[in-house]
Amino acid sequence: DAGVTQSPTHLIKTRGQQVTLRCSPKSGHDTVSWYQQALGQGPQFIFQYYEEEERQRGNFPDRFSGHQFPNYSSELNVNALLLGDSALYLCASSFGGQAFFGPGTRLTVL
Amino acid sequence: KQEVTQIPAALSVPEGENLVLNCSFTDSAIYNLQWFRQDPGKGLTSLLLIQSSQREQTSGRLNASLDKSSGRSTLYIAASQPGDSATYLCAVKFNQAGTALIFGKGTTLSVSS
Repeated sequence: DAGVTQSPTHLIKTRGQQVTLRCSPKSGHDTVSWYQQALGQGPQFIFQYYEEEERQRGNFPDRFSGHQFPNYSSELNVNALLLGDSALYLCASSFGGQAFFGPGTRLTVL
Repeated sequence: KQEVTQIPAALSVPEGENLVLNCSFTDSAIYNLQWFRQDPGKGLTSLLLIQSSQREQTSGRLNASLDKSSGRSTLYIAASQPGDSATYLCAVKFNQAGTALIFGKGTTLSVSS
């Protein structure tokens, strides 16, 4: 079992651009959540996908959107990037209430 | 508003020492609590999951306790080693917060040899 995987590992964008991050959950997990972790902070919940639908959303603007595919993999899209969007983006899949996180994507916005 | 607080923010201990990390939360109506380890710039590794009905969980040198009535959890690390150096995060799934995990800011542990 490869665990939760994310791509890319690192990404550098400029303000105003758009970015897409990708996540593959652990085998057998059908629920995927996305978190944003700023430097020195705990992760903040962005949203969760289940059965290809957004099930719950945190306090993030509409610039943050996502998608889940039939194979349970997921994408996080961020439009009109701001400097403040620079962070580690973590994907988690869950089963039985326990969350398993991927290695994250480090996004730097210049 | 559901919040999770971790104290201290940083801790330095010599190798071999037993230590306790603290986590407090504002609402006793929780579904579960999870402790994670995070190495610099890396993702989160799940250490222990405590369900609402449980009082503690153990894995190797780690023991996590849960006291819902007081809104506290502790992570006990026995015989600390330099390899334990990392940031430890506490995350709570509150009944009123749906499926989201609410994280503390973490405790950064440094174990010196």
